[in-house]
Amino acid sequence: DAGVIQSPRHEVTEMGQEVTLRCKPISGHDYLFWYRQTMMRGLELLIYFNNNVPIDDSGMPEDRFSAKMPNASFSTLKIQPSEPRDSAVYFCASSSRDRGTEAFFGQGTRLTVV
Amino acid sequence: AQSVTQLGSHVSVSEGALVLLRCNYSSSVPPYLFWYVQYPNQGLQLLLKYTTGATLVKGINGFEAEFKKSETSFHLTKPSAHMSDAAEYFCAVSPSGGSYIPTFGRGTSLIVHP
Repeated sequence: DAGVIQSPRHEVTEMGQEVTLRCKPISGHDYLFWYRQTMMRGLELLIYFNNNVPIDDSGMPEDRFSAKMPNASFSTLKIQPSEPRDSAVYFCASSSRDRGTEAFFGQGTRLTVV
Repeated sequence: AQSVTQLGSHVSVSEGALVLLRCNYSSSVPPYLFWYVQYPNQGLQLLLKYTTGATLVKGINGFEAEFKKSETSFHLTKPSAHMSDAAEYFCAVSPSGGSYIPTFGRGTSLIVHP
């Protein structure tokens, strides 16, 4: 398996624009997590899905953020409109239901909003 | 509820010296514990994990960690640091029952001096 695949790796956008980050989890994994990493706040859990259903989105910072998982092999995180403070590295991770199984992380998307 | 505390945001050692990265956790149920490593511009990858059984667990690259329930600790050690060990290290805890959500510490940056 190729692991968790995220695209794009880097994104530079202007304030006010819509940004869509994409994630393909490992086949067979039924949990998918979106994290945001910044120097100030560390690694923050934004939202997670179980069997394609959003379970907890309490970490999503504002209504400008939304996430979807239309099927088991694809998820998106959308920011609309984007703001400079959204600049961060966004990670997608997936895991299986077996207890104790670790989360597998993608390479991340480095987002810069100017 | 669960939480992770990593003591020291930065740890500096000389090449060949002992590496000790500290992690304390709190969990209302028996925990599963993980250490991840993050190299620059990459995602997190698993170093080692404790689920059940032997409390001393060995991971990749010569790292090991010991689960001490009485101290609620899961410190990471390596007998002899190598320059290539310079990275960010994250401790994480996941409950063995109930909701499977890993909680990450803030991370410790390991600096290795020649």
